[in-house]
Amino acid sequence: DTGVSQDPRHKITKRGQNVTFRCDPISEHNRLYWYRQTLGQGPEFLTYFQNEAQLEKSRLLSDRFSAERPKGSFSTLEIQRTEQGDSAMYLCASSSNMDRELFFGEGSRLTVL
Amino acid sequence: AQKVTQAQTEISVVEKEDVTLDCVYETRDTTYYLFWYKQPPSGELVFLIRRNSFDEQNEISGRYSWNFQKSTSSFNFTITASQVVDSAVYFCALSDIGGRRALTFGSGTRLQVQP
Repeated sequence: DTGVSQDPRHKITKRGQNVTFRCDPISEHNRLYWYRQTLGQGPEFLTYFQNEAQLEKSRLLSDRFSAERPKGSFSTLEIQRTEQGDSAMYLCASSSNMDRELFFGEGSRLTVL
Repeated sequence: AQKVTQAQTEISVVEKEDVTLDCVYETRDTTYYLFWYKQPPSGELVFLIRRNSFDEQNEISGRYSWNFQKSTSSFNFTITASQVVDSAVYFCALSDIGGRRALTFGSGTRLQVQP
């Protein structure tokens, strides 16, 4: 399977703990996006990378959130000191410079107790 | 700012009925792209179609068709002869023409097709 893969698919954690999600984009894609989706809502943009450079961050991305893409391949999204409001599906997407559409992974569902 | 409105929260039809999902958008850009994605229960968003603002020609792909009307800022999606496998949440999305290319999504329409 050469699609976008995300890990873990599900994460349950206690409030105050740190969590990290990983995204492996489609191999030739240089653009990588993180979105958050809460129940009954559409995905909301969090941040995006072109190669290793993080070019934009949404105001939804508080100081507790940090994303990296160190070698321009896989990316990680870390949430520090999780809060119950962080419970959501975190979606990763990738695209190439030739694409306008984004290709999404299956998401990482976070539940904060 | 960009905005996408999908006023239909949930639609239920019986198999073989036709169904139209509405999408209305707002943007200050004169050039933009519109998309439809399908999200089945597994959670992965599946790309269905892309349309650029220059091209108002309607498109048909099998049982799917799309009606883009720039004058009313609408990009509606019709499924003809619906099937149970069409049950999913459908999202309309909008992106600008610039380098960012991030999508702004609507809140989605849940389609349930009953056998």
